[in-house]
Amino acid sequence: DQQVKQNSPSLSVQEGRISILNCDYTNSMFDYFLWYKKYPAEGPTFLISISSIKDKNEDGRFTVFLNKSAKHLSLHIVPSQPGDSAVYFCSTRASGSRLTFGEGTQLTVNP
Amino acid sequence: NAGVTQTPKFQVLKTGQSMTLQCAQDMNHNSMYWYRQDPGMGLRLIYYSASEGTTDKGEVPNGYNVSRLNKREFSLRLESAAPSQTSVYFCASSVISANEQFFGPGTRLTVL
Repeated sequence: DQQVKQNSPSLSVQEGRISILNCDYTNSMFDYFLWYKKYPAEGPTFLISISSIKDKNEDGRFTVFLNKSAKHLSLHIVPSQPGDSAVYFCSTRASGSRLTFGEGTQLTVNP
Repeated sequence: NAGVTQTPKFQVLKTGQSMTLQCAQDMNHNSMYWYRQDPGMGLRLIYYSASEGTTDKGEVPNGYNVSRLNKREFSLRLESAAPSQTSVYFCASSVISANEQFFGPGTRLTVL
């Protein structure tokens, strides 16, 4: 039972344009959502998070949007840079429980 | 601070061999985790330790054992390696079990 799904295994974007990565979840008890970024041969690193009491959180070029009614989370990167090329994992948790991760989306930003 | 460290970085085993993956963190975190990452499968939790002295099964525990040696160290053991255990293994830690996790650099394991 995959509770967190990232339906796009890959995404290719031109430098300077917007990258939009999507994530869907099934458990309405999830109350905290995180995005991790992973470069090859490295461990994932935390990027940005959002609580279920908000619908948007912004940090520089990165913005996460949460649509609770649709159980949908998205990460916007504007403007995209070649250094943003990495695998992005969506993760969620219900209060007091462990994180659950999606399958990941490989983002490639072309110069 | 080194953060989360893992040894070894790479390992090749033959089917049936055993080995232990080591993990240590210097952030005084209470909770530690072992994940495996396979293509198209994301990060799947093998075992975790919410606090020193406790361990619990995650999503894919079969074929693995763990030891929370102390607050800093959490090891993962494969008693009899199988080709299905070929994967990249990540250790992670967090202040408490529901918080943001910090990951190690990973161990790439191949079982022939």
